[in-house]
Amino acid sequence: AQKVTQAQTEISVVEKEDVTLDCVYETRDTTYYLFWYKQPPSGELVFLIRRNSFDEQNEISGRYSWNFQKSTSSFNFTITASQVVDSAVYFCALSVPSGYALNFGKGTSLLVTP
Amino acid sequence: DVKVTQSSRYLVKRTGEKVFLECVQDMDHENMFWYRQDPGLGLRLIYFSYDVKMKEKGDIPEGYSVSREKKERFSLILESASTNQTSMYLCASSLAGLQETQYFGPGTRLLVL
Repeated sequence: AQKVTQAQTEISVVEKEDVTLDCVYETRDTTYYLFWYKQPPSGELVFLIRRNSFDEQNEISGRYSWNFQKSTSSFNFTITASQVVDSAVYFCALSVPSGYALNFGKGTSLLVTP
Repeated sequence: DVKVTQSSRYLVKRTGEKVFLECVQDMDHENMFWYRQDPGLGLRLIYFSYDVKMKEKGDIPEGYSVSREKKERFSLILESASTNQTSMYLCASSLAGLQETQYFGPGTRLLVL
């Protein structure tokens, strides 16, 4: 069975601080895909990134960066110089070829205050 | 840009009513999904469809049915709404292949009284 754990339920930071959201996953499959989604207060889940298990390169997109480490089964997400608009719930998710659902973590609620 | 739309953002229904939630995508995606999101439980898959008229049960299909008569449209039906179906319902779509990225609609907040 697949499992995604986001241990941080809520994080509060002041604008311009850096913040890292943790994601730890469990699967016995050797091929799998990891995702991050953002859910702002409006409710829509916004896709941020998709990573497959064979690509451990870290990714940077503007103020966002992702650190994928198979050795620790982690796929952490860092926001540099956070902004108020980054306030949202962030979900990490996992899918495997043998299944059809995205397995979501419980989400981390990020609040960025001015 | 992928566009997934849902017929209502907010819906209030009474216990026992038949409820239809509609989802439409404009990217010619083969797969469509219905999830519900509840505090403390996260997102759970109700049903998904990989082609017209094809459907598969997800983790929590009880009390729900689905319909996919056209490729772009996927409907979730609550045959007899109950208060425990009060939730946020999210529709998603993706290309064929179960590991493709799923793109989500804005969600429908359903309240069953």
